[in-house]
Amino acid sequence: DAGVIQSPRHEVTEMGQEVTLRCKPISGHNSLFWYRQTMMRGLELLIYFNNNVPIDDSGMPEDRFSAKMPNASFSTLKIQPSEPRDSAVYFCASSLGQAINSPLHFGNGTRLTVT
Amino acid sequence: AQSVAQPEDQVNVAEGNPLTVKCTYSVSGNPYLFWYVQYPNRGLQFLLKYITGDNLVKGSYGFEAEFNKSQTSFHLKKPSALVSDSALYFCAVRDKAGTASKLTFGTGTRLQVTL
Repeated sequence: DAGVIQSPRHEVTEMGQEVTLRCKPISGHNSLFWYRQTMMRGLELLIYFNNNVPIDDSGMPEDRFSAKMPNASFSTLKIQPSEPRDSAVYFCASSLGQAINSPLHFGNGTRLTVT
Repeated sequence: AQSVAQPEDQVNVAEGNPLTVKCTYSVSGNPYLFWYVQYPNRGLQFLLKYITGDNLVKGSYGFEAEFNKSQTSFHLKKPSALVSDSALYFCAVRDKAGTASKLTFGTGTRLQVTL
């Protein structure tokens, strides 16, 4: 089992540029979550999908953020245009179903720096 | 709304001594409680969970946690700490099942184990 795979591991970009973060969940998992981690706010849930359908995007900070899950094995989180305050570590996680006792499996994250 | 509190930003313990990392929670229904660990530059890893049953839950790497309903607590414990246990620990709670299910994380506690 390769685990949740995120790319890139590090991204440095200039303010105003478009950023796309990618995630491949664990095969067979049908729930996918995007989190953001910062020193100030800790871990924040941005959006989660079940069976490729967005269920709750109330954590997406603003319209500059968008997420898609075109199929069961791939998801993207896009920021356009990026701003310095978007600098954070972005994690993707997947779980088996929405069963309340299913633990999340996290990727190693993408560290985004916007200058 | 569900919430979880980790009152200590950091816990220091000598190797070989017992450790406790504290967590209290607030939910409207039955709590489903989790502990995760994060090592540097890595995603969160699942340690253990409480769903129902015995109040003492055993997990990975010799960790255990005690569920106390009257005190609404779910403290993480280990009888004998190792230097390799040094990491960031997150408590999390999940409330409703079904499509509204979300995991709420605490702010994390940094565990430092020294020789």
